[in-house]
Amino acid sequence: GAGVSQSPRYKVAKRGQDVALRCDPISGHVSLFWYQQALGQGPEFLTYFQNEAQLDKSGLPSDRFFAERPEGSVSTLKIQRTQQEDSAVYLCASSADRTGADEQYFGPGTRLTVT
Amino acid sequence: AQSVTQLGSHVSVSEGALVLLRCNYSSSVPPYLFWYVQYPNQGLQLLLKYTTGATLVKGINGFEAEFKKSETSFHLTKPSAHMSDAAEYFCAVSDLGNTDKLIFGTGTRLQVFP
Repeated sequence: GAGVSQSPRYKVAKRGQDVALRCDPISGHVSLFWYQQALGQGPEFLTYFQNEAQLDKSGLPSDRFFAERPEGSVSTLKIQRTQQEDSAVYLCASSADRTGADEQYFGPGTRLTVT
Repeated sequence: AQSVTQLGSHVSVSEGALVLLRCNYSSSVPPYLFWYVQYPNQGLQLLLKYTTGATLVKGINGFEAEFKKSETSFHLTKPSAHMSDAAEYFCAVSDLGNTDKLIFGTGTRLQVFP
């Protein structure tokens, strides 16, 4: 079975452009997380979905960041008017259930570079 | 609030030597703890996890970790390093009761020399 996939793998955007990052979780997984990983740092939580419901968006750094999962499967993270500080790897993870013990399966990430 | 501290951003060992990567946590509730490995340009892969029960946890690729409540530690060890172990390692704690998101440490880069 396929794991978590993300597209594009690499994205270069000029400052001020809007970008959309896609995550395809493992089929049937209820929980979906987005994390941001800056160079040389550990991943930091952005937002969480349980099926189609966005239950936590406390990690989104500004109102330029928006995420959705309209049918409870594929998710899109959108960044409007990108800034240089948005340059990072964006990781998506999914898990089968909403328990803290359940393993989160990570995608390969999208490396965003804002020039 | 939960947090994780990884001591040593870089660790270098010779092939065949013991690997010890340190992780200390802070948690107001009994923690769920994880070690993930990240190879270049790849996502994170779970090595092992502790939730409840036996405090010595065995994972993939010969790694193990021991949960020590008295020391608030969850150090990762492997008796004999292999060249293929060179990667970035992240310790994480689950933010229980609050979406269960993972809170990661800053990572430790392991280098293995022949």
